[in-house]
Amino acid sequence: RKEVEQDPGPFNVPEGATVAFNCTYSNSASQSFFWYRQDCRKEPKLLMSVYSSGNEDGRFTAQLNRASQYISLLIRDSKLSDSATYLCVAHNAGNMLTFGGGTRLMVKP
Amino acid sequence: GAVVSQHPSWVICKSGTSVKIECRSLDFQATTMFWYRQFPKQSLMLMATSNEGSKATYEQGVEKDKFLINHASLTLSTLTVTSAHPEDSSFYICSASGAELYSNQPQHFGDGTRLSIL
Repeated sequence: RKEVEQDPGPFNVPEGATVAFNCTYSNSASQSFFWYRQDCRKEPKLLMSVYSSGNEDGRFTAQLNRASQYISLLIRDSKLSDSATYLCVAHNAGNMLTFGGGTRLMVKP
Repeated sequence: GAVVSQHPSWVICKSGTSVKIECRSLDFQATTMFWYRQFPKQSLMLMATSNEGSKATYEQGVEKDKFLINHASLTLSTLTVTSAHPEDSSFYICSASGAELYSNQPQHFGDGTRLSIL
């Protein structure tokens, strides 16, 4: 079993739709979590941190449930520019990051 | 702040060639650097972790004699793919973290190097 698991998608949604991604992790000792966005043939870029209390940044909302070892990302009012792969990432000791396989999002006109 | 520069961004070379990729932290001291590899439609897989002045720690399945990592200074790490073959073609990404770095993320990524071996 992978340490961080995601549905690979792709999620094909129309502009303006709300889409939710899920992620599960197996290492209960993971210190914190992030969502990264990766465009084709580019490096991953930090989208947002994930907190148990929830974290909202504009159209993006992330949530962590430590009891269920479950992380979510909600994107409201999808834009064409949101099309990318979204990576769920666990932060472990020694500043180590473990990446999920990524979920691909395609927003269509 | 926390800029990581990776060079070159794209390499195409013949099988058997050795290729060196550089990773530099431009505005902070990188006590630890990480090297990742990403195959098409797959996620980033950590290859090795290097601390300045120490030997790199390789992940299981990564050949240390094939992927030579040097981290001789606090701002530079290099990855050399020795005698590269077509199966080594991939996207290689470095990242860096610094003990004194105030940041909202534990690692800062370079732009990546696309390696194509013919």
